[in-house]
Amino acid sequence: DQQVKQNSPSLSVQEGRISILNCDYTNSMFDYFLWYKKYPAEGPTFLISISSIKDKNEDGRFTVFLNKSAKHLSLHIVPSQPGDSAVYFCAAIKDSNYQLIWGAGTKLIIKP
Amino acid sequence: DAGITQSPRYKITETGRQVTLMCHQTWSHSYMFWYRQDLGHGLRLIYYSAAADITDKGEVPDGYVVSRSKTENFPLTLESATRSQTSVYFCASSSPAGGLSYNEQFFGPGTRLTVL
Repeated sequence: DQQVKQNSPSLSVQEGRISILNCDYTNSMFDYFLWYKKYPAEGPTFLISISSIKDKNEDGRFTVFLNKSAKHLSLHIVPSQPGDSAVYFCAAIKDSNYQLIWGAGTKLIIKP
Repeated sequence: DAGITQSPRYKITETGRQVTLMCHQTWSHSYMFWYRQDLGHGLRLIYYSAAADITDKGEVPDGYVVSRSKTENFPLTLESATRSQTSVYFCASSSPAGGLSYNEQFFGPGTRLTVL
């Protein structure tokens, strides 16, 4: 039973354009949602988070949107840069108990 | 080195052997975690620890043992390795969050384990 789903295994975007990565979840009790970025042969690194009581959080080129009624969140990267090519994981946490539930990841490829 | 380190980075072993993966962090974070990552899955939590001598099971604990005698170390042992335990293993650490906030988890570089 996958509580956090990333249905697109990969996404290819032109440099300078907007990248939109999507994530769906099934558990309405999640408190926080997070995006992590992972390069090959490295561990994931935290990118941005959003509380379940918010609908938007912005940090530089990265914005996360949360639609609670649809149980959907998305990560927007504007403008996309070559260094953004990586695997992006969506994750959720419940009750601040530190147990992250992860999606399967989306591989983002930024084309020059 | 400051941060979180894992050793070995790569390991090949045989079915039935005991294997220990090491994790060391220099931040004195109270929380530490072990995950495995398999193709088609996100990271899945194996075990976590809230402090020295306190450990708890995650989503996929079967076949694994952990200990935490010191805050900075959190070894993961496969007592009798099986082929299904071939995976990439990540260790992470975090400091406690206050109230309803969340503190990010910092990850090590991973250990790629192959069980033949």
